Amino acid sequence: DVKVTQSSRYLVKRTGEKVFLECVQDMDHENMFWYRQDPGLGLRLIYFSYDVKMKEKGDIPEGYSVSREKKERFSLILESASTNQTSMYLCASSLTGTGSQFRNQPQHFGDGTRLSIL
Amino acid sequence: RKEVEQDPGPFNVPEGATVAFNCTYSNSASQSFFWYRQDCRKEPKLLMSVYSSGNEDGRFTAQLNRASQYISLLIRDSKLSDSATYLCVVTGGSGGSNYKLTFGKGTLLTVNP
Repeated sequence: DVKVTQSSRYLVKRTGEKVFLECVQDMDHENMFWYRQDPGLGLRLIYFSYDVKMKEKGDIPEGYSVSREKKERFSLILESASTNQTSMYLCASSLTGTGSQFRNQPQHFGDGTRLSIL
Repeated sequence: RKEVEQDPGPFNVPEGATVAFNCTYSNSASQSFFWYRQDCRKEPKLLMSVYSSGNEDGRFTAQLNRASQYISLLIRDSKLSDSATYLCVVTGGSGGSNYKLTFGKGTLLTVNP
């Protein structure tokens, strides 16, 4: 089974702090993703990475950055936390696939981190 | 048109009922389609992929109509444990990258005893 592990289930931080959310996967997946999920808005993609040291902006990258120094680890960074970044953060990973399944693989999610910014 | 649009729900059904969820998507270039389920305060989990010819997994049947850009999920003989939010998911976001999954907002199903 794919295992995607997020470093914290619950986290409370203060406005202006720099916050690090860590994610590790153990299945040698090429692709990793960070989402946030808010009531009524569904899942929204923040950033994703399809290779080590590579990253691409998702739909809502403002206020966030990411780091992928090793294949198994993808970190989300809130540069200066604000109250509107209070949310559930979900990390996911996927294979790239081959042939007709190239870049069309399902994603596997971690348990999520409930982040509260006070 | 929203990228992925689902029935708003919520659906409340008795045990044993058959329930159907519908979903439409706007990106005709989307290649892959999935249904995920998400339990309350948990992460989304892959329920099943959706294939062009339609596919079945036990009590669950998924259908795809590429011409109409429409996906469905049918649950037969529903169980209490089927209570969850069901998310329709397609690949290929608005930026054209097939790495990206685009999620519908989900439909909440409650199966009652």
